[in-house]
Amino acid sequence: DTGVSQDPRHKITKRGQNVTFRCDPISEHNRLYWYRQTLGQGPEFLTYFQNEAQLEKSRLLSDRFSAERPKGSFSTLEIQRTEQGDSAMYLCASSLAGSLAKNIQYFGAGTRLSVL
Amino acid sequence: SQQGEEDPQALSIQEGENATMNCSYKTSINNLQWYRQNSGRGLVHLILIRSNEREKHSGRLRVTLDTSKKSSSLLITASRAADTASYFCATDPKTSYDKVIFGPGTSLSVIP
Repeated sequence: DTGVSQDPRHKITKRGQNVTFRCDPISEHNRLYWYRQTLGQGPEFLTYFQNEAQLEKSRLLSDRFSAERPKGSFSTLEIQRTEQGDSAMYLCASSLAGSLAKNIQYFGAGTRLSVL
Repeated sequence: SQQGEEDPQALSIQEGENATMNCSYKTSINNLQWYRQNSGRGLVHLILIRSNEREKHSGRLRVTLDTSKKSSSLLITASRAADTASYFCATDPKTSYDKVIFGPGTSLSVIP
């Protein structure tokens, strides 16, 4: 499967714990996006990378959230000191900048986080 | 607030009927996309329409764009039970060229 993969698919954690999610984009894609989605809502932009550079970070993203994309390949999203309000689906998407269809994003299946 | 707003929030139709969903947005855009999301899964891109286009077709999908009214519609003809999903419009604002902004979506149920 050469699509976007996310790991884990589900994560249950206790409030105050740290969690880390991984995203492997489509191999030739240089852009990678993270979104958060709650029930009944559309994906909410968190941050995005072009290659290894983090180009934009949502103002909604608190200091407890950090994302990395070392070497411009896979990416990790870490949430420190989780809160119940962090419970959501975390989606990763990738795209190919410089192409005519650069805004078309390919999504992974998401990681569903439940904070108890 | 989000750039795009879909209408209706939920739609239930019989198999074989047509389904129409609307999206309104606030600022000038470069293009507009529609995505589908099956329950508990990631989003799948359906169609992209550029700001200088008025209508686009893909299979049973027809998308229109009216930039003067800042609105778009997605028509699914001859619906099938497999079309049951949430549908989102995503806009690419001129002020933010590198990312898209999703609306809250329309939940479509197609009853066999």
